[in-house]
Parts: sequence; structure tokens; C-alpha cells
Amino acid sequence: NAGVTQTPKFQVLKTGQSMTLQCAQDMNHEYMSWYRQDPGMGLRLIHYSVGAGITDQGEVPNGYNVSRSTTEDFPLRLLSAAPSQTSVYFCASSYPAPSGANVLTFGAGSRLTVL
Amino acid sequence: SQQGEEDPQALSIQEGENATMNCSYKTSINNLQWYRQNSGRGLVHLILIRSNEREKHSGRLRVTLDTSKKSSSLLITASRAADTASYFCATVTGNQFYFGTGTSLTVIP
Repeated sequence: NAGVTQTPKFQVLKTGQSMTLQCAQDMNHEYMSWYRQDPGMGLRLIHYSVGAGITDQGEVPNGYNVSRSTTEDFPLRLLSAAPSQTSVYFCASSYPAPSGANVLTFGAGSRLTVL
Repeated sequence: SQQGEEDPQALSIQEGENATMNCSYKTSINNLQWYRQNSGRGLVHLILIRSNEREKHSGRLRVTLDTSKKSSSLLITASRAADTASYFCATVTGNQFYFGTGTSLTVIP
């Protein structure tokens, strides 16, 4: 099992450019989510999905779009990048722990710099 | 923001000592989880405690939860240099996970 795979690992964009961060998981997890991690801010939820065809907003959704056409993939799109979107982005999927509660499995992260 | 806050922000201890970090949060929760992040890596789940539980153990980890005070603590006993990492609490409400700001732990050999 590869777990949660994020690509690219590093990306530099110019202000106004668009790009897509890819996230794929091979664990048949229904729940997938995107976070951004900034110094001193911890991780903040951008968007999440509880299954194919279903997405919802988290704490900081502005400037980002997502879609979930398959169980495996959950891409994050930046339509017009801004310097404020410079961050490390993590994708995570969820499996139920023995207690029945969901526990997150994280990808390795994608470091994005917007100039 | 629904984020929790950990304290201390940074903690430095000698190998073999115990490390305690605390998490405070703002809303009602289904459960609270602790994650570890090594530098430059994704987070890894450590332990989960449900809202109706007060204490859980897993190996050298002990977590407590006080829902009346909206706080949790993580104790790592007999720390090792390999425990050096950042530790985050995450509160779970419905389908949303809210992470705290993290405690950076350094264990000196």
C-alpha cells in the first residue's frame, strides 16, 4: 500500500497562476481532506469530502476548489494563486479506529511558494 | 477559529525524563486525538480519547481529557531522543478535525 500520495512535493508559482495539487489514496477511505500548515498557525482545514461526489468547506476555503469524482482522488485547485497561499499543504484520508472514530492518515506534504 | 492551543509551544528535556504537553479547545467534541510530526513530514496518529473517557494509555503515552475544562494533556514517559518532534492535538466534531498550534519537543540525549 502506498497510503496517501501527494504531488508535487515542491512548487513555485507566480501570483495569478493556477495549479492543482494532487492527492491519491489506495486504502479505500471514504473521508479525505486538505489542510494548510503555516508557522505558528498549526494545521487549518481547507476542504473535506465524505465520499465521491460530496465536498464541503473547512475553516479556510477561500481561493481553493476541490472535487471528488472517485474514492481514490481528491485534487485541490488554486485558481489564481496569491502570496498568502504560500504554505505547506497536507492531504489526509480517514479510516475508522477500533473505537469506531475516524483517524487521519497524512500524505508527506506539498510545499507551495507563490511569488 | 475553532483551533485548539497547545502549551508549551516548545519543550526541551533530557532523555529519560517525562514530557507533558497540554491542549485547550473551544467547542464540544466527539473525540480528541494526538498526532506527531517529524520535521518535514506528514502527521502520524498517536492516540485517541473519546469525549466520555477520562484517561487512555498506549505504551509510553498517557492522555487525559477534561471536557468540563475543555482541556487534554499528553504525557510521554521515559522520553527518548527519537521522540523529538512536534505534537498536535486535534479535536473532532462531526466530520471536521481541528488541529492545535503544536508543541515542539526536543529530547536531548
